[in-house]
Amino acid sequence: AQSVTQLDSQVPVFEEAPVELRCNYSSSVSVYLFWYVQYPNQGLQLLLKYLSGSTLVKGINGFEAEFNKSQTSFHLRKPSVHISDTAEYFCAVSETYNTDKLIFGTGTRLQVFP
Amino acid sequence: NAGVMQNPRHLVRRRGQEARLRCSPMKGHSHVYWYRQLPEEGLKFMVYLQKENIIDESGMPKERFSAEFPKEGPSILRIQQVVRGDSAAYFCASSPGQGPYNSPLHFGNGTRLTVT
Repeated sequence: AQSVTQLDSQVPVFEEAPVELRCNYSSSVSVYLFWYVQYPNQGLQLLLKYLSGSTLVKGINGFEAEFNKSQTSFHLRKPSVHISDTAEYFCAVSETYNTDKLIFGTGTRLQVFP
Repeated sequence: NAGVMQNPRHLVRRRGQEARLRCSPMKGHSHVYWYRQLPEEGLKFMVYLQKENIIDESGMPKERFSAEFPKEGPSILRIQQVVRGDSAAYFCASSPGQGPYNSPLHFGNGTRLTVT
């Protein structure tokens, strides 16, 4: 079975500072990896995904993530955050041969201060 | 091009009542997924349906919960005899096909169920 750990429940940061949101996963099989963002009272929106190929994945809104197989991590980064990036961020995995369901982490709340 | 539509946005039920949550997938999408988000937790998979078929219901509680996706009309998540522990946000997602190559899953804005 897979599991996803997001080590930080909250990350406060000032505007224009860099940010890294950490995600580690556990799985005995190959996985696909995803980051989603959830704005208040809204559904989830895909930021980026890793399926195969280059381990550095670029997504929307200036976010990127790097897949590190040896460390089973998929940390999300942005070099300069904006107030509008304030939201909840979820890391998720799915098995490559059973993609019916996503396993989500508990989320990291990014709070950007002016 | 409307996204995934869920209604109602907020639903209040007393213990013992029934809750019916509706989800209309994006146009052209025939795959529907239901997830539940408990307070302070991530989303948990409940069920995956295609038109008229339940494909994977491994995340559904064994009792009181059921889901359907009829040939015509929205997908329905039904919770009978609700209890306070059912209070959560229920999200529906849709995709045009199975697998991450048909991702992203398009999520609705959720139905927030409160059981009093």
